[in-house]
Amino acid sequence: NAGVTQTPKFRVLKTGQSMTLLCAQDMNHEYMYWYRQDPGMGLRLIHYSVGEGTTAKGEVPDGYNVSRLKKQNFLLGLESAAPSQTSVYFCASRARGRAEQPQHFGDGTRLSIL
Amino acid sequence: TQLLEQSPQFLSIQEGENLTVYCNSSSVFSSLQWYRQEPGEGPVLLVTVVTGGEVKKLKRLTFQFGDARKDSSLHITAAQPGDTGLYLCAGDFYGGSQGNLIFGKGTKLSVKP
Repeated sequence: NAGVTQTPKFRVLKTGQSMTLLCAQDMNHEYMYWYRQDPGMGLRLIHYSVGEGTTAKGEVPDGYNVSRLKKQNFLLGLESAAPSQTSVYFCASRARGRAEQPQHFGDGTRLSIL
Repeated sequence: TQLLEQSPQFLSIQEGENLTVYCNSSSVFSSLQWYRQEPGEGPVLLVTVVTGGEVKKLKRLTFQFGDARKDSSLHITAAQPGDTGLYLCAGDFYGGSQGNLIFGKGTKLSVKP
């Protein structure tokens, strides 16, 4: 079972470059999330989506954009990468219903901005 | 801003020892989850607690939800090297269908053989 798949797994960018991180889930989940994880900071929510065509801001949305054109895919874009965006990015999805539904995570994208 | 305080931040113990990790907030949770994350992987759900005073057991792991639903603990009995990892608590403060989780900063556990 694939579950949640993130691509790429690793990437190094130069300051000012742009890129898109892709998250794909095969569980027919309505809700999808993008988090970043930094040392000593836990997981912080960047953006999320409660269904195809809808997105919303999380705790740390600045410098990122997202799109959910298809139910199974959630894209995270960095328009002009900055060193402060060096982090590990995790995508997660969950089924419709109360927030206590389990979130299923991908294995992360390790992004370094030089 | 809702905050989840998790302690300790780091824990290094010998195989066979017991340990407890704590997750606290000044606000009431609608529900709380515990995840474990291994290096190079995403977090994986261990348990969800919903009812105040609830106790759940998962083999050698015991999870407790405080009566007032403001705190939770994870107790591991006779820790093994395979328990090594980052333990994260995550709380839903709002309930309903669109509540998002607030994650604690995590407890990094190392169990030495």
